[in-house]
Amino acid sequence: EAQVTQNPRYLITVTGKKLTVTCSQNMNHEYMSWYRQDPGLGLRQIYYSMNVEVTDKGDVPEGYKVSRKEKRNFPLILESPSPNQTSLYFCASSFRGKLNSPLHFGNGTRLTVT
Amino acid sequence: ILNVEQSPQSLHVQEGDSTNFTCSFPSSNFYALHWYRWETAKSPEALFVMTLNGDEKKKGRISATLNTKEGYSYLYIKGSQPEDSATYLCAFSSGGSYIPTFGRGTSLIVHP
Repeated sequence: EAQVTQNPRYLITVTGKKLTVTCSQNMNHEYMSWYRQDPGLGLRQIYYSMNVEVTDKGDVPEGYKVSRKEKRNFPLILESPSPNQTSLYFCASSFRGKLNSPLHFGNGTRLTVT
Repeated sequence: ILNVEQSPQSLHVQEGDSTNFTCSFPSSNFYALHWYRWETAKSPEALFVMTLNGDEKKKGRISATLNTKEGYSYLYIKGSQPEDSATYLCAFSSGGSYIPTFGRGTSLIVHP
C-alpha cells in the first residue's frame, strides 16, 4: 500500500531533550516536506527536500533540522525542543516532476513540549 | 511568502444545502492549485490538482473551478452531507518550483 509513515503519533517531552520524528514514504517520491499546524495558522512549511541530499528552509525553520540521506526517509530533528514547538506535525511527499501530482500526507505527530 | 487566502474561515450549513468557498492566490506565474479535504483526527487528503486556466474538476458531489488570470478557485459541494464536515485546504504553487503554500482553510460543519 502506498503510504507516508510518520512516527511517533504522539510525543510528550521536556524542554531541551533532543528528539527525532521519522517520516518514510514508499512511493519513490522526490519531494518531501514537513509542516506544522497550529490553531488559526493553517499548515506552515518547516523544511522541504527536492531530492536526496537537497534540503531547503520553509517558512518556519528555526529550531528544526532535517536530513535526506535516502530517498524514502526525511526525519525531522529538534535538537533542543522548546514549548513553542508544541504543535501537530505532518510529513508529506509527492512526485516533483509531475505537474498534477498531489501531496500525500502522513498521519501526523502531536508533539507536546513541557 | 506567497499570500493564499481562503474564505470564509468557517461555514455552518444544513444537510442538503449546497455551498461553496473561495481560494485566492497571486495571479502571476501560476503553476498549480491543489484542494485538500482534512477531517478531524485524520491527515489531509487530496481532492483535486488543477493546472490550467478554466479547469473544472469533479468528484462525486464536490467540484472545483480555476481562474488563473484573476487568481481564484472555487470549491462547490452540492447537497452537503454530515460526512462532508471537514476543513478544506487549498495550496498554490508558482514559478515551476512545485512548493505548495497553503491557505488557512475553510472549516465546514454540516448539521443533520
